[in-house]
Amino acid sequence: SAVISQKPSRDICQRGTSLTIQCQVDSQVTMMFWYRQQPGQSLTLIATANQGSEATYESGFVIDKFPISRPNLTFSTLTVSNMSPEDSSIYLCSVLLPNFGEQYFGPGTRLTVT
Amino acid sequence: AQSVSQHNHHVILSEAASLELGCNYSYGGTVNLFWYVQYPGQHLQLLLKYFSGDPLVKGIKGFEAEFIKSKFSFNLRKPSVQWSDTAEYFCAVTPMNRDDKIIFGKGTRLHILP
Repeated sequence: SAVISQKPSRDICQRGTSLTIQCQVDSQVTMMFWYRQQPGQSLTLIATANQGSEATYESGFVIDKFPISRPNLTFSTLTVSNMSPEDSSIYLCSVLLPNFGEQYFGPGTRLTVT
Repeated sequence: AQSVSQHNHHVILSEAASLELGCNYSYGGTVNLFWYVQYPGQHLQLLLKYFSGDPLVKGIKGFEAEFIKSKFSFNLRKPSVQWSDTAEYFCAVTPMNRDDKIIFGKGTRLHILP
């Protein structure tokens, strides 16, 4: 298994500001993902964080709005830029352990934009 | 586009009742199938998974799921629920040619009455 931590666990931010969320894994992993879970909705994949190269974004998500860093195999950050109330959501970091074929999820960061 | 449908958004049962949560997916190729659970205030965790072999898979806490390929279904069952099963349940699918990206259903919120 993998143990994943995220910081901060929650934050309340003002419109127009940016927030960087950190994700730390207790082992080296190749595949790391960022998801968004809006109230009453399912998980939506934002992007795949690639180590040593740019993240791969899903349709509807762009690098300018959600820049991602992946400096090594145990750490990644997601920045939510120029926030609006529509960005209020839970942001989740996830890793795939290929030998087990399953994803593990962090505890999430609850973001409220006022 | 591939999708995962969960038929029930909110289910309320009394303790000891039997549970079945429906899940259908739309993808014609080989898939890996998962059920994740999110207990109140906790993060997502894997309940059970199907990769191949016996289509009836058993997971933690007495849950099981049956993969019926002809129906594109992977329903979750438990013969007798407990109050501690109150949680949100997500069905998820990984189509084998989608670079391990998981597609989630919208989730079913299960509330067990004591």
